[in-house]
Amino acid sequence: KAGVTQTPRYLIKTRGQQVTLSCSPISGHRSVSWYQQTPGQGLQFLFEYFSETQRNKGNFPGRFSGRQFSNSRSEMNVSTLELGDSALYLCASSLGGVRGTSTDTQYFGPGTRLTVL
Amino acid sequence: KNQVEQSPQSLIILEGKNCTLQCNYTVSPFSNLRWYKQDTGRGPVSLTIMTFSENTKSNGRYTATLDADTKQSSLHITASQLSDSASYICVVGDSNYQLIWGAGTKLIIKP
Repeated sequence: KAGVTQTPRYLIKTRGQQVTLSCSPISGHRSVSWYQQTPGQGLQFLFEYFSETQRNKGNFPGRFSGRQFSNSRSEMNVSTLELGDSALYLCASSLGGVRGTSTDTQYFGPGTRLTVL
Repeated sequence: KNQVEQSPQSLIILEGKNCTLQCNYTVSPFSNLRWYKQDTGRGPVSLTIMTFSENTKSNGRYTATLDADTKQSSLHITASQLSDSASYICVVGDSNYQLIWGAGTKLIIKP
């Protein structure tokens, strides 16, 4: 079974540009969550999609948005990039989502490393 | 405020030795606790998931314990190997939705 794939793996952009990251979950998984990880920081939750609907959202500005397609693939968009957006962006998939009471295992992709110059 | 604190921040041990990583949390209402291993530049990999009623769970040389009364968890690694060098992250889920991530413990195994 193929794992979670993310494209591109590396990306360099300049301030003010926008970027779209893609995530393909494990076959059969309907939940996709996105996280931002900066050096020395824990993972920060961005949002979760389940069956094409955003089910939960973290505390990030509106410049960060996402969507999920009918095949469960998900995209994340960041508009008007800032230097502080440089980070590793991780996508995770699971069968039914990671609601607090669920013990579904999240499977993470390798991440997209975004550098904003 | 829901928080997950891990200690130590970093740890260096010799190959073959055992070690224990700590996780203290203030998440309420508690639902489950997870430990992940993250190699540098890669996504985290799940090691264990424990619910309120479980106080120990093993995955090979990794054994996690949970004391829901004191809100503490530990991850014990037996007979460490060079491939155990990674960051180990404790994550606590509450009964609503939140998954609260700790900052991780960076473990370095030296030959």
